[in-house]
Amino acid sequence: NAGVTQTPKFQVLKTGQSMTLQCAQDMNHEYMSWYRQDPGMGLRLIHYSVGAGITDQGEVPNGYNVSRSTTEDFPLRLLSAAPSQTSVYFCASSYSVAGPSEGFFGPGTRLTVL
Amino acid sequence: RKEVEQDPGPFNVPEGATVAFNCTYSNSASQSFFWYRQDCRKEPKLLMSVYSSGNEDGRFTAQLNRASQYISLLIRDSKLSDSATYLCAVTDRTGGFKTIFGAGTRLFVKA
Repeated sequence: NAGVTQTPKFQVLKTGQSMTLQCAQDMNHEYMSWYRQDPGMGLRLIHYSVGAGITDQGEVPNGYNVSRSTTEDFPLRLLSAAPSQTSVYFCASSYSVAGPSEGFFGPGTRLTVL
Repeated sequence: RKEVEQDPGPFNVPEGATVAFNCTYSNSASQSFFWYRQDCRKEPKLLMSVYSSGNEDGRFTAQLNRASQYISLLIRDSKLSDSATYLCAVTDRTGGFKTIFGAGTRLFVKA
């Protein structure tokens, strides 16, 4: 199993550009989520999904969209990048909402918005 | 007040020491509790779940105190390899499935 994979590993955007961060898992996990991590702020939940076709907002959803058309994939879209979105983005998954919600994390995407 | 708070540290301890971290949470409806370990520039990795009865995994012991709304992590006989940031996480499954993380406590174990 590859576990949770994220692409790209690094990305530089200009203000106003849009892009999609990819996240995939091959463990047939129900639950997937996106976090951003900033120095001194810890991990903050952006969006999460409890299964294909179901998504919900986390703590900091503004400026981001998600969709979950398959169990495996959970892409995060930045609609119009802003410098405040410079961060490290982690995708996570778990077999079921009954267990640890974030059993496995991907390696992260380091995003810089100029 | 943050929903989940941790002492940011850093904690600097010698090898072999016992070190304890606390984490407080504000939502009394929180249902699940976890400790994660995060190495520098890496993703967090689940260390252990925390149960009301407490749980132990080798040198690591986690406790939950629902009345005072805190969880703790005790590391005995610290190793150099324990140097990392330790994150606590709290999940509320009422009205959603949101997991909130603390900002993390940095641990340095010195030879």
